[in-house]
Amino acid sequence: EIVLTQSPGTLSLSPGERVTLSCRTSQSVSSNSLVWYQQRPGQAPRLLIYGASSRASGIPDRFSGSGSGTDFTLTISRLEPEDLAVYYCQHYGGAPPYTFGQGTKLEIK
Amino acid sequence: QVQMVESGGGVVQPGGSLRLSCVTSGFSFSSYGMVWVRLSPGKGLDWVALIRFDGSHQYYADSVEGRFTISRDNSRNTLYLQLDSLRAEDTAVYYCARQYWLGELKALDYWGRGTQVTVSS
Repeated sequence: EIVLTQSPGTLSLSPGERVTLSCRTSQSVSSNSLVWYQQRPGQAPRLLIYGASSRASGIPDRFSGSGSGTDFTLTISRLEPEDLAVYYCQHYGGAPPYTFGQGTKLEIK
Repeated sequence: QVQMVESGGGVVQPGGSLRLSCVTSGFSFSSYGMVWVRLSPGKGLDWVALIRFDGSHQYYADSVEGRFTISRDNSRNTLYLQLDSLRAEDTAVYYCARQYWLGELKALDYWGRGTQVTVSS
């Protein structure tokens, strides 16, 4: 089973700042299998990025994903107040289970 | 539009059972694999189970294997999760989600709002 480790655990930034979230996998994975979700307080998770870098429908272009091998990144180019959320990466390749990372909590100053 | 509504959660004693349902609309349910994911207090998302579009195969997390059963009724556009031998650590909000699959690309593209399961004596 592939283990996903996200960092940092918590991040506190001001609106307008650039945000970089990390997801590392315990072994090399296909970029096609790396997915990012956003979960705002009290809401269901929302698909942000699939295939490591493809934005889901309706996702603002300030969100972008990149990476390969074992290191993947979610970037928010200009932080907005509504980006307050927990962000999760997921490995969605090979056979199940399709595990999630432990999440990064993004706080807005 | 795509909608998924979970129900069936509640408070149950350790060792007890519950059956969760997820009623869907707005898409061709019988064409999609479906998943249950849970969010436990103070923890992150936890992948629970997957069922293929036709119900032919089911997959489970090790933590629930042998205790939970995922099933579906394509005539009713409904997904189920039978929870047996419940433990305190199963306390969570349970979400159903649709599996998007295009070639090698997979993701959970639509989610319900969740149903709360609390295991407590």
